[in-house]
Amino acid sequence: QKEVEQDPGPLSVPEGAIVSLNCTYSNSAFQYFMWYRQYSRKGPELLMYTYSSGNKEDGRFTAQVDKSSKYISLFIRDSQPSDSATYLCAMRHLSGGYQKVTFGTGTKLQVIP
Amino acid sequence: KAGVTQTPRYLIKTRGQQVTLSCSPISGHRSVSWYQQTPGQGLQFLFEYFSETQRNKGNFPGRFSGRQFSNSRSEMNVSTLELGDSALYLCASSLTSPRPDRGLTNTEAFFGQGTRLTVV
Repeated sequence: QKEVEQDPGPLSVPEGAIVSLNCTYSNSAFQYFMWYRQYSRKGPELLMYTYSSGNKEDGRFTAQVDKSSKYISLFIRDSQPSDSATYLCAMRHLSGGYQKVTFGTGTKLQVIP
Repeated sequence: KAGVTQTPRYLIKTRGQQVTLSCSPISGHRSVSWYQQTPGQGLQFLFEYFSETQRNKGNFPGRFSGRQFSNSRSEMNVSTLELGDSALYLCASSLTSPRPDRGLTNTEAFFGQGTRLTVV
């Protein structure tokens, strides 16, 4: 079983829809939770990060963490065609004295105009 | 400010050969991490270098190695290539190496566009 599970999609939604992207994890040692966006033929870019359980909002994006259920989500409101990309969740924890990052496999999102 | 530069962008190699990939981090960044990305496994951490020292290592065989130079540029080497090594290899740079007592401040990783390696 992978430490981080993420539905690969693809997920196809109409423009303006609310998108929900999710990841589950099994390692209780994970401390920081991040979401990256990766456009085709580009490297991932950090979208949001959070440490504690609860919600964190940034513009149209909301990151939600539920540590008791080992479940994180990214919500995108009023989705735009420019949001079409692969979204990767990532989790950081202490390993061997240093922080180690584990990524989900990514969910491909397509927003249709 | 120039971003992370990876060379070459594309590479085709034959099984059994070796390959060296290069990464130039953002100016002033001292930490360089390498990742392998495949459709089935996603992004997998290879190793991280900070001030020319390997600080962290993922679960890859010894055929995968790397180094970092005094100017923070890093190279990754894969020897005795296998078909399964075909992947996008990504390099990420950050200001500092994440330590347990620090948050994400100054540790945000900036990724390059990657090197697409195809082994035939």
